[in-house]
Amino acid sequence: DIQLTQSPSFLSASVGDRVTITCRASQGIRSYLAWYQQKPGKAPKFLIYAASTLRSGVPSRFSGSGSGTEFTLTISSLQPEDFATYYCQQVNSFPLTFGQGTKVEIK
Amino acid sequence: EVQLVESGGGLVQPGGSLRLSCAASGFIFSDHYMDWVRQAPGKGLEWVGRTRKRVNSYSTEYAASVKGRFTISRDDSKNSLYLQMNSLKSEDTAVYYCVRLDSSGWLDYWGQGALVTVSS
Repeated sequence: DIQLTQSPSFLSASVGDRVTITCRASQGIRSYLAWYQQKPGKAPKFLIYAASTLRSGVPSRFSGSGSGTEFTLTISSLQPEDFATYYCQQVNSFPLTFGQGTKVEIK
Repeated sequence: EVQLVESGGGLVQPGGSLRLSCAASGFIFSDHYMDWVRQAPGKGLEWVGRTRKRVNSYSTEYAASVKGRFTISRDDSKNSLYLQMNSLKSEDTAVYYCVRLDSSGWLDYWGQGALVTVSS
């Protein structure tokens, strides 16, 4: 199975900060990586696919990059509604796997 | 508007069975692969399995943790997805999400989830 390791697991930041979350895969997954945002008690929301393509309707302050084994999710200027937990996921091979999550909290 | 609504969750004893349903609307259900993903309380996301389309013979894939115990099926005439869960264990306690895949295989729409609690 492909393991995805996110860092950090927890992040404390202020409104307006630039935030970067890293996702490392245990083996190469080309660009078959997605990012999700989840708020407490809600379903995950699909943000980015193919490592760097923003889903329609997602604010442009979100961006993704990377390929192979190292990927990043960047929020250029953190907004109040962005405080949530973020997950990466690989769809390169079965079983599909998720990172353990990165919780972004208000400083 | 795409909508996925899960039902059938509840409390079940270890070793018992439960069947979740997912009612889909707002898109052509038969055109899409569908997945189940679960989330144990306070934990991360875990992929459970997939059903493909009729043209793919409704073939399925499962996570090792549920293979042989869970069965995913669909009824395109009813726009519905199902998850039959047998031999349930306490570690199966989770919110179960019904998820649609887009044409490129990305998990783009998620239901609100159904809570399954396995406890005596």
